[in-house]
Amino acid sequence: NAGVTQTPKFQVLKTGQSMTLQCAQDMNHNSMYWYRQDPGMGLRLIYYSASEGTTDKGEVPNGYNVSRLNKREFSLRLESAAPSQTSVYFCASSDVQGYTGELFFGEGSRLTVL
Amino acid sequence: AQKITQTQPGMFVQEKEAVTLDCTYDTSDQSYGLFWYKQPSSGEMIFLIYQGSYDEQNATEGRYSLNFQKARKSANLVISASQLGDSAMYFCAMREGGESAALIFGKGTTLSVSS
Repeated sequence: NAGVTQTPKFQVLKTGQSMTLQCAQDMNHNSMYWYRQDPGMGLRLIYYSASEGTTDKGEVPNGYNVSRLNKREFSLRLESAAPSQTSVYFCASSDVQGYTGELFFGEGSRLTVL
Repeated sequence: AQKITQTQPGMFVQEKEAVTLDCTYDTSDQSYGLFWYKQPSSGEMIFLIYQGSYDEQNATEGRYSLNFQKARKSANLVISASQLGDSAMYFCAMREGGESAALIFGKGTTLSVSS
C-alpha cells in the first residue's frame, strides 16, 4: 500500500546547490504532478505529466525541471536553488477519467534553501 | 483573477455543530470537476469529495456534502456533526478541460473544532 512515495522528506540546501526530488507511484496512474505549498498560497502546480513521455509547465515552473522517467517515476530538479524555492513539495498521481479521478498525494518534501 | 476563491481564512465551530466552508470558482468551461481535500497538521492531503459539473445531485460522502450551485459557481463543503479530528486546513480544487487534468487549488480555509 505504498501509493505515492517521495524522497527525501527533508532537505536543506545552500543557495546555488542543485538537487532532485524523486517521486514514484505504484497505482499504474498515467498522470503525475508536482505542486509546491507555501503559507497562505494553497498548492501551486509546478509541472505535470499527463502520460509517460510528456511533461508540461504549470503555474510556477521557473527554476525547475522535470523528468518522467517511466510510468511510475516523475522527478523534480532544482538546478540552482534559491531561497524563494523554500517550500513543501508534493508529488501526486491520478487516474484521470474525464474530469473525475482524484489526486493521490505523497507525504510531501520540506525543502529549505539558505 | 483567481480560479478558486476561498474567502474564509479561518473558521471556528463547536463539536457536533455543522459548518460550511465556502468555495467559488471561475471557469468558462461547461465540463469540469470540483474537489475538496483535507490537510491535517500532519501534512498529508486527504481527498474528501468530488462533484462533476453535470451531476444533478449534490455529492455526499458520510458527514461531508458538497452544496453545488452551478449558476452561482459555488461548491461549498458542508461538514455535519463536527468532530475534533476535523480540525485541519481544507482546500477546494477544480479540474477544467484540456489534457493537463491538473487540479487548481484555492488558498484554503483553516477549520478549528472546539469541545
